[in-house]
Amino acid sequence: EDQVTQSPEALRLQEGESSSLNCSYTVSGLRGLFWYRQDPGKGPEFLFTLYSAGEEKEKERLKATLTKKESFLHITAPKPEDSATYLCAVQAGGVNNAGNMLTFGGGTRLMVKP
Amino acid sequence: GAVVSQHPSRVICKSGTSVKIECRSLDFQATTMFWYRQFPKQSLMLMATSNEGSKATYEQGVEKDKFLINHASLTLSTLTVTSAHPEDSSFYICSARHSHSYEQYFGPGTRLTVT
Repeated sequence: EDQVTQSPEALRLQEGESSSLNCSYTVSGLRGLFWYRQDPGKGPEFLFTLYSAGEEKEKERLKATLTKKESFLHITAPKPEDSATYLCAVQAGGVNNAGNMLTFGGGTRLMVKP
Repeated sequence: GAVVSQHPSRVICKSGTSVKIECRSLDFQATTMFWYRQFPKQSLMLMATSNEGSKATYEQGVEKDKFLINHASLTLSTLTVTSAHPEDSSFYICSARHSHSYEQYFGPGTRLTVT
């Protein structure tokens, strides 16, 4: 069974204090790992897709990396507007996931104080 | 690009009535759309997967006769909550998968309150 675990559940940072969010996964044949940002009362906003170990992607203050067992979302010099819940999801490949389902982690609630 | 809309954003209905929620991919074709439910401070729970022109696939524990899904075109899927009860009150979110990629793009969600 595919599993995704995110840590920590909640993270409080001061503005400018860099940190990393972790997403550990077990999946039968990774097709892709996805990061989303979700603000309260809204749908998740797509951030990144990572397909293979060693891959990295960046967007503004965010950088996502991938190994064979986990992914990190690095936040450099965060601002209060980066406060949100960050969700990690994996998509397994193969015939058992012909529907292209995503398996989500529980999310990390990030709070950045000014 | 990759914008998904949902309508309505909020709906309040009386117990026993039915509510329809629309999900549209505005600038791309989506062969597959997904419906999720989210409880406060929890992650997304997949309810069903719908493919254009075919019957939806429901996750275990989701009543197909209560949550009717129709995916009539490459840009529109609808979720109808039939005979709604207060326990159906929740945040419903749809997503659409681009025909040419694996990414899912999410709608803004619909807050359903059943009184």
